[in-house]
Amino acid sequence: EAGVAQSPRYKIIEKRQSVAFWCNPISGHATLYWYQQILGQGPKLLIQFQNNGVVDDSQLPKDRFSAERLKGVDSTLKIQPAKLEDSAVYLCASSSAGTGSYNEQFFGPGTRLTVL
Amino acid sequence: SQQGEEDPQALSIQEGENATMNCSYKTSINNLQWYRQNSGRGLVHLILIRSNEREKHSGRLRVTLDTSKKSSSLLITASRAADTASYFCATRDTGRRALTFGSGTRLQVQP
Repeated sequence: EAGVAQSPRYKIIEKRQSVAFWCNPISGHATLYWYQQILGQGPKLLIQFQNNGVVDDSQLPKDRFSAERLKGVDSTLKIQPAKLEDSAVYLCASSSAGTGSYNEQFFGPGTRLTVL
Repeated sequence: SQQGEEDPQALSIQEGENATMNCSYKTSINNLQWYRQNSGRGLVHLILIRSNEREKHSGRLRVTLDTSKKSSSLLITASRAADTASYFCATRDTGRRALTFGSGTRLQVQP
């Protein structure tokens, strides 16, 4: 079974530029998450999708970050304009929808963003 | 915001020794999970313990949960150099599906 795919793996931009990340979850997984992981910290949830609907975006800086999952499969996360503090690894994860209390999240390798 | 605080932040041991990492959290949880992250890689799920469980084992891993103290520990027995990684606890808060991660423990196992 293929895992969660993310691209690009690395990106370097200057502040005030825009950038987009792409994620393809595991086939059949209805739930998709984007996390931001700053160096030395644990991942922080930015946004959670259930199919193509947003479930939780309470920690997404909506003035500069946006995300979409139009067909309920792959997703893009965009930052415009980028700030120095956006330098981090952006992780995508997916899980299957279920009625149980536990749905294991599977993580992609992440995109390491450096903002200069 | 990060819910969990992990202790210690960094741990260095010799191969064959046991490694213990602790995690504290703040809110009511449905379950608590431990993940491993190798340098430059994504996170890998290790083990889950539900809020009504007190201890769980998986191979060389032993996890305990004390909901009255809002704390958990992860024990890795007979450590190997390949266990070198960062370890994160993550809580699934009651009523949410997303995980809230701690700040992690960086484990170094010397061969």
